[in-house]
Amino acid sequence: DTAVSQTPKYLVTQMGNDKSIKCEQNLGHDTMYWYKQDSKKFLKIMFSYNNKELIINETVPNRFSPKSPDKAHLNLHINSLELGDSAVYFCAVTGTGTYNEQFFGPGTRLTVL
Amino acid sequence: DAKTTQPTSMDCAEGRAANLPCNHSTISGNEYVYWYRQIHSQGPQYIIHGLKNNETNEMASLIITEDRKSSTLILPHATLRDTAVYYCIVRVAYNQGGKLIFGQGTELSVKP
Repeated sequence: DTAVSQTPKYLVTQMGNDKSIKCEQNLGHDTMYWYKQDSKKFLKIMFSYNNKELIINETVPNRFSPKSPDKAHLNLHINSLELGDSAVYFCAVTGTGTYNEQFFGPGTRLTVL
Repeated sequence: DAKTTQPTSMDCAEGRAANLPCNHSTISGNEYVYWYRQIHSQGPQYIIHGLKNNETNEMASLIITEDRKSSTLILPHATLRDTAVYYCIVRVAYNQGGKLIFGQGTELSVKP
């Protein structure tokens, strides 16, 4: 079983649309993250959730809204998509009581046309 | 901003040791050195971490200088599958939130 999974793997959409990316983990860990990797390959933290509570929001536009329905899921909803939102989005998971090793999902490549 | 500096790219011959340096001159006493790598089109993968002692696991070895201002990741027998971008990150362990701040990393090309 995949520890951290994301759906969809690829997402192509038009500017102005609203879309969601889903993340699921089966590790039973407490903290989940969203990272964005832009066209220049820089990886940057967007959000962090711990036990369904938002603990990091790295000045991401409020068009991005993470939602954690339960500890195993962290979804990313994006409103009014813009060209600059095109990127690869990675979900990651880490647990307390460890050295915060993070397990990353396979990524979702979002292309906004 | 990332607190580490790494060479942009390196080459290594298959079967030889790959030694990837990292400078972290402003590291704090409670910060660990972590290494991750990202193989093309995949999510980053944890490799190893250390505080001040040298560490070894099934993937690599980590050598940290005595003053902790720099470190070297060693892949003892590089294979073509080790071609990836390698990221050196310093951060506090057991840190709630625990975000990783990625720099540009080192693009390692293992050549036959």
